[in-house]
Amino acid sequence: QKEVEQDPGPLSVPEGAIVSLNCTYSNSAFQYFMWYRQYSRKGPELLMYTYSSGNKEDGRFTAQVDKSSKYISLFIRDSQPSDSATYLCAMSGAAGRRALTFGSGTRLQVQP
Amino acid sequence: DGGITQSPKYLFRKEGQNVTLSCEQNLNHDAMYWYRQDPGQGLRLIYYSQIVNDFQKGDIAEGYSVSREKKESFPLTVTSAQKNPTAFYLCASRTGTANTEAFFGQGTRLTVV
Repeated sequence: QKEVEQDPGPLSVPEGAIVSLNCTYSNSAFQYFMWYRQYSRKGPELLMYTYSSGNKEDGRFTAQVDKSSKYISLFIRDSQPSDSATYLCAMSGAAGRRALTFGSGTRLQVQP
Repeated sequence: DGGITQSPKYLFRKEGQNVTLSCEQNLNHDAMYWYRQDPGQGLRLIYYSQIVNDFQKGDIAEGYSVSREKKESFPLTVTSAQKNPTAFYLCASRTGTANTEAFFGQGTRLTVV
């Protein structure tokens, strides 16, 4: 079983829809949670960063972390065709953890 | 501007050849990483280095080698021992502490011909 599970999609939604992307994880040591956006044939770029449980909002994007359920979410409001990309969740534990652990990514398509 | 530069963007390798992918950063980050990305499999860690002149194997190190002679540079060599090298390779860096995000280069697409 992978440490981080993420539905690969593709997820296709109409423009303006609310998108929900999710990851589950098994390692309770994870404390830092990130969402990256990756356009085709490009490097991932950081979208959202949260520490421990709770919500964080940035414009149309909201990240939620529920450590008790080992479940994280990214919500995109008023989705746009430019949001079409692969979204990767990533997480990190306490000091000493060697690198970020990534989910496999969810491919999102926003139809105009 | 600070960032990570990977070169080349596209690389073709013949069977039995070694090739080296370049990764340079000017972010003054201590830690650098190499990931491999295949369709539907996310990012898999090949090698990482937390300090100059030191590096560790990741989850899929077989057939790869690295060096870290300078803080700014972390080249990856794909050797002939790597039987399925066709993939998208990503280099990343971070400050080295657990609570920071990783910054990525734009990747190198390696194809075996």
